[in-house]
Amino acid sequence: ETGVTQTPRHLVMGMTNKKSLKCEQHLGHNAMYWYKQSAKKPLELMFVYNFKEQTENNSVPSRFSPECPNSSHLFLHLHTLQPEDSALYLCASSQGAGAGGDTQYFGPGTRLTVL
Amino acid sequence: QQQVKQSPQSLIVQKGGISIINCAYENTAFDYFPWYQQFPGKGPALLIAIRPDVSEKKEGRFTISFNKSAKQFSLHIMDSQPGDSATYFCAASMNRDDKIIFGKGTRLHILP
Repeated sequence: ETGVTQTPRHLVMGMTNKKSLKCEQHLGHNAMYWYKQSAKKPLELMFVYNFKEQTENNSVPSRFSPECPNSSHLFLHLHTLQPEDSALYLCASSQGAGAGGDTQYFGPGTRLTVL
Repeated sequence: QQQVKQSPQSLIVQKGGISIINCAYENTAFDYFPWYQQFPGKGPALLIAIRPDVSEKKEGRFTISFNKSAKQFSLHIMDSQPGDSATYFCAASMNRDDKIIFGKGTRLHILP
């Protein structure tokens, strides 16, 4: 195991539902990331948090809302999603703080299907 | 300029053969080049990484070759095994930047 856990592992939701993805890291890292992985665009960076502050929002639609209450936990709140949002959502963490050349440790992902 | 271009998209190699995946970049400010390996149902995991002050790095059967002038780097897997079948991502990042730019990935299949 990488020290990064994600729940749930699988999620099926309708377009009108509201759900949340959870990520927890047990590595003492300061930076956390959300990625979207789909067949069309393999690894898309969505959000970056460093010391609980959002430092990157890669033009993500507002129907995705991240929350980082502390350096160990990261959430992705989902509402009124579209079928094209179906993908694997990966969480990652790294030492952060502009260390550069950091290894990112990924969780196993949440497989999301939007009906 | 932020892109990392990876090829081929998919690769089939016989067991015992050499698997080669190539990547190219434009931004000369990149100074860290990791390769990640992803098995089905798992997130990517760091496999091996190199900095531009060396031209080659070897770890077991895995070797990164780096050509700074051509802005290219490649992963060589010697004596490829069926257990190496996975998706491989090259990547690049800049010093003092937590963001990693990933290539589009290569799906490698090793025939038994």
